[in-house]
Amino acid sequence: ETGVTQTPRHLVMGMTNKKSLKCEQHLGHNAMYWYKQSAKKPLELMFVYSLEERVENNSVPSRFSPECPNSSHLFLHLHTLQPEDSALYLCASSQVGVAGGAGANVLTFGAGSRLTVL
Amino acid sequence: GEDVEQSLFLSVREGDSSVINCTYTDSSSTYLYWYKQEPGAGLQLLTYIFSNMDMKQDQRLTVLLNKKDKHLSLRIADTQTGDSAIYFCAGAQETYKYIFGTGTRLKVLA
Repeated sequence: ETGVTQTPRHLVMGMTNKKSLKCEQHLGHNAMYWYKQSAKKPLELMFVYSLEERVENNSVPSRFSPECPNSSHLFLHLHTLQPEDSALYLCASSQVGVAGGAGANVLTFGAGSRLTVL
Repeated sequence: GEDVEQSLFLSVREGDSSVINCTYTDSSSTYLYWYKQEPGAGLQLLTYIFSNMDMKQDQRLTVLLNKKDKHLSLRIADTQTGDSAIYFCAGAQETYKYIFGTGTRLKVLA
């Protein structure tokens, strides 16, 4: 266990469904991230929340909608997805220093949610 | 933007050393990282190096950084079958903007 828990681990959905991915971190970190991992492609940063405010939105289609109700929980709401959205979605958290800067801003990842869109 | 490149595959025999290489285009990252991903799991930090260092050693792991050539490598001594995984190098240009390579799949042959 890394301290970052993702549910569900596997999800199959049709293109007209609405579902959500959940991430919870027990590390007391102040930043949470969503990444998309597709085969043979670099990890793609989707969203970043710091102290519950979205600080990064990497040109992600609006069919992906993040929500961060508090510093320990992060959701990714999915609706009208496309087959090309099938991927492993990874949540991560980190503790960013008060002074900012990358520092040794180490990411701690969850095990991922494997999404298949039919 | 930043580009981080890695070879896709590496195969070594158990007991040999493995060297995984990474090249990057942007030298502004303060830290450079190596992460490991085992099947069915997320990425796990192995080690990181501060950009003003040339080398860092941590037990079986040795990280070499050549800033001039923008080249980062990870050497695993006495590679074991449990080291079989995908290895990612990453840099962080800004506080939240990590750039990951495509990953190198290491296969250790018994």
